Amino acid sequence: DTEVTQTPKHLVMGMTNKKSLKCEQHMGHRAMYWYKQKAKKPPELMFVYSYEKLSINESVPSRFSPECPNSSLLNLHLHALQPEDSALYLCATKNEGIAEAFFGQGTRLTVV
Amino acid sequence: EDQVTQSPEALRLQEGESSSLNCSYTVSGLRGLFWYRQDPGKGPEFLFTLYSAGEEKEKERLKATLTKKESFLHITAPKPEDSATYLCAVQAYSGTASKLTFGTGTRLQVTL
Repeated sequence: DTEVTQTPKHLVMGMTNKKSLKCEQHMGHRAMYWYKQKAKKPPELMFVYSYEKLSINESVPSRFSPECPNSSLLNLHLHALQPEDSALYLCATKNEGIAEAFFGQGTRLTVV
Repeated sequence: EDQVTQSPEALRLQEGESSSLNCSYTVSGLRGLFWYRQDPGKGPEFLFTLYSAGEEKEKERLKATLTKKESFLHITAPKPEDSATYLCAVQAYSGTASKLTFGTGTRLQVTL
């Protein structure tokens, strides 16, 4: 199983809403990532979890709150977002060390 | 700071017209260079990992090579289904966690 599953695929939310993005993997990978991707731009790293602990936070605004409840799940909690936060949010996982990352299909988020 | 630059930004080829995409990088201690393919609105799909200068990897019409300063993705006799954005990424360590830094990508269009 080399699949990373992200839900929902699409999400429209108002600026006062609270929502969560979910990511699930069953590959036994211990490094998990959240990336944000705007149109025609490369993925931009937001957070890295290593062995369920937050290892890297790329100075992301506090309206984005990551959570890693166990080794298979990664959540991104969203609150009071701005329209400029609209983007494709990608989850990725990999083995520790030098290894390729596997990406989910992303959640297309629109903030209205 | 790690930097990854890809060229050209966009490339239009006719079916069967071979070409190469370039990925130039500046990193403090390359741990791995990765090539991905991304279709619109989807997550990146892993293609190749290159670890050291001189290494080559091949898959169907694609061949990736690595030197000390750059990597090339050669596309031989491309077909319309090869149309996508091709991303390269380098792996570096921040503390105990590793992260991928992506280049800006090359948008490839293959026409009949």
